[in-house]
Amino acid sequence: AQSVTQLDSQVPVFEEAPVELRCNYSSSVSVYLFWYVQYPNQGLQLLLKYLSGSTLVKGINGFEAEFNKSQTSFHLRKPSVHISDTAEYFCAVSEGGYGGSQGNLIFGKGTKLSVKP
Amino acid sequence: KAGVTQTPRYLIKTRGQQVTLSCSPISGHRSVSWYQQTPGQGLQFLFEYFSETQRNKGNFPGRFSGRQFSNSRSEMNVSTLELGDSALYLCASSLGDRPYEQYFGPGTRLTVT
Repeated sequence: AQSVTQLDSQVPVFEEAPVELRCNYSSSVSVYLFWYVQYPNQGLQLLLKYLSGSTLVKGINGFEAEFNKSQTSFHLRKPSVHISDTAEYFCAVSEGGYGGSQGNLIFGKGTKLSVKP
Repeated sequence: KAGVTQTPRYLIKTRGQQVTLSCSPISGHRSVSWYQQTPGQGLQFLFEYFSETQRNKGNFPGRFSGRQFSNSRSEMNVSTLELGDSALYLCASSLGDRPYEQYFGPGTRLTVT
């Protein structure tokens, strides 16, 4: 069965510092990978996605993520964070095959990023 | 294109009552999925509807049900509300085919007292 592990529940960082939010997944089939961001009292916004091809994907707001198949990881990075990046970030996976759990995303527990001035 | 809309945004109900939440997907999207978000359990998948048929279902009791209309709008119903049903209910829409890229609405905050 699929599962997603976000290794850090909270990440405090100072403004303009780099940040990495870690995500590992387990699946027996090929997967599609996503990162979403949730600001307080809002829904989830898609940051970036890995579907196929280049393992380094770029998203909105200066974020990027690298898919590593051998380590089953999809870590999110930003070279310099801003106060406005303070939010909760969710890693999610959906299966690439047919049948089974198609149509739904499996989410990690989320990582709260807190950017301090 | 307009995004996913959910109504109402906030709801307060009493234990034992029932509630219906509504979701309008992005135009052209045929799949609607529902998720429950709580501080303790995180984001949990409830069910997915595609072309008016429930295609996938999570591990929730039968008190949670849904339906989808011919215009792809979806409703979710929770009967006999319990305190533990207090949560943010998120609706997401997608085209319905791989890679199942989903776009979320702002959610309905349900409080059960």
